Formats: sequence, structure tokens, C-alpha cells
Amino acid sequence: NAGVMQNPRHLVRRRGQEARLRCSPMKGHSHVYWYRQLPEEGLKFMVYLQKENIIDESGMPKERFSAEFPKEGPSILRIQQVVRGDSAAYFCASSPVGDTDTQYFGPGTRLTVL
Amino acid sequence: QKEVEQDPGPLSVPEGAIVSLNCTYSNSAFQYFMWYRQYSRKGPELLMYTYSSGNKEDGRFTAQVDKSSKYISLFIRDSQPSDSATYLCAMTSGNQFYFGTGTSLTVIP
Repeated sequence: NAGVMQNPRHLVRRRGQEARLRCSPMKGHSHVYWYRQLPEEGLKFMVYLQKENIIDESGMPKERFSAEFPKEGPSILRIQQVVRGDSAAYFCASSPVGDTDTQYFGPGTRLTVL
Repeated sequence: QKEVEQDPGPLSVPEGAIVSLNCTYSNSAFQYFMWYRQYSRKGPELLMYTYSSGNKEDGRFTAQVDKSSKYISLFIRDSQPSDSATYLCAMTSGNQFYFGTGTSLTVIP
């Protein structure tokens, strides 16, 4: 049973470009969470999604950031017009139906904005 | 005040030592408490998970929760160099998880 998969593992973008981060949850998991981790800081919740639904996006910046989890395919975190402050590690986690109290994390995508 | 407070360390101990890692929290609504281990440039890995006050043991690891004091601990017995990592506490209320900033641990052979 493969774990949570994220790609790319490393992403470099210039200011103003778009960044697309992908997350495939563990098999049988239908809940996906996105977090951002900055150096010397803890994981900060961004958004919680189920298939085709955004459940909680209270941690998402109001502009430039969006997330989706379509019926088919991976969850996507999209950052438009990236700025240097967006440089961080972005982690995806998933949890199974009926057990949303534990989360299993992917390896993360490290975004660097030049 | 942060929801979850965790001393970032760094903590350095000799191999075989007992390690104590701690977090405090302010929200009495938190019901589930977890410890994650994160190796450098990797994703967090779930170590322990508990929802009640008291102790939970798993091999060399013991998680302790004191809801009355809003304080949780992770003890590592007979620490090994492979335990060197950052340890994150986490707790949840509803949909959101709240993480501590992590404590960096180095176990010296």
C-alpha cells in the first residue's frame, strides 16, 4: 500500500509564475489536507478537502492560492503569481473515511521562488 | 498566545538516555493528541496517537497526556542515534490539526 505521494518533490519558479503541487492520498483515503512549513516554524494548516468538496479553507491566503480534489486524479494546490514569500515546504496529508483524527503525510514539495 | 507551544530545542543527549519532549496548549477543546517524527527534508511520520489523559506505551516510546494541565509529553527510553530527528506534537479539534513548532533532537553515539 503506497503512502501519500506528492510531486514534484522540488519546484523552482520565478516571481509571477504559477506553481502547481500535486498530492495523491493513500489508497482508501478520501480526506486530504494541505500544510505549509516555513523554516523554524511549525506546520500551518491551509485547507481540508474531500472529493469534489472544500471542507475548510480557513488557513488559505485569500488571494493567489486555490486547492481542488477532483473526483478523479490527485489533489492540486495552485499558487498563482508566486512571490518570494511563498518559498516553503508544502505537505499533503490524508486520512481515511471514519478516522479523520490521524493523518499520514507525504514527503512534501519544496517550492523555491527566485 | 499560540494554540500549541513547544520548546524548539535543540536537545542533545547521549545514546541510551531517556528523552522527555513536551508541549503545552491553551484550547481545552482539543481531544486528540499526536506525536510525529520528522527527519530532515522528509514528511512527518505519525509515532503515537492518544485521546485520553494518561499514558500510552509503544515499544521505547510513551505518550502522556494531562488534560487538566493542558500538557502532553513524549518519553523515549534507551534513545538511539536513529531517533535523531525533529519531534512535532499535534492536537485536533474538529477539522483542523494544530502543530507545535517541533523539538530538534540529536542522540550522540
